[in-house]
Amino acid sequence: KNQVEQSPQSLIILEGKNCTLQCNYTVSPFSNLRWYKQDTGRGPVSLTIMTFSENTKSNGRYTATLDADTKQSSLHITASQLSDSASYICVVSGSGGSYIPTFGRGTSLIVHP
Amino acid sequence: KAGVTQTPRYLIKTRGQQVTLSCSPISGHRSVSWYQQTPGQGLQFLFEYFSETQRNKGNFPGRFSGRQFSNSRSEMNVSTLELGDSALYLCASSLAAPSLPYEQYFGPGTRLTVT
Repeated sequence: KNQVEQSPQSLIILEGKNCTLQCNYTVSPFSNLRWYKQDTGRGPVSLTIMTFSENTKSNGRYTATLDADTKQSSLHITASQLSDSASYICVVSGSGGSYIPTFGRGTSLIVHP
Repeated sequence: KAGVTQTPRYLIKTRGQQVTLSCSPISGHRSVSWYQQTPGQGLQFLFEYFSETQRNKGNFPGRFSGRQFSNSRSEMNVSTLELGDSALYLCASSLAAPSLPYEQYFGPGTRLTVT
């Protein structure tokens, strides 16, 4: 069964600090891995999309890494801001004719001033 | 370019009724995917349409159905509503299926409450 596990479940940090969120998956065959940011009551917003051949991708202060061998990904947030307070969701899609995107439960990040 | 729009934004229905939700994708996008988000299960994939054809379906009962029109607008229908169907229903549009590394753009969602 395809699974995506995210850790930690929640995280509280001070403004200006860095943090790293983790995503482990068992989806196979693998097509791509996405990180989304979702503010409360709104639709998710894409941060990064990574394919098998990519191991690092950045989007401003967000940097995602992917290790396809160990099936692990991380999202590093640099110099956090209050607006980074949100849920961060990892999604893994398989390849082939029949795929179902598998979602992690998300990491709830709170940035305090 | 206008984003993904979903109507209505909020809906209250009674158990046993049916409901139809609408999604208008970004202009030029032919793929529309639907998702259910609940506090208990998180985000789950419902189905995906491309050029009026359903290409993939998640693990949901047959009460959940959808369709896509020639202008790429999509609707999803839930019949015989149950209390457990209370959720945020999100649609996302893209140039291609989620299995391909194209950006997916989510709408604001429809908050469905079943009483």
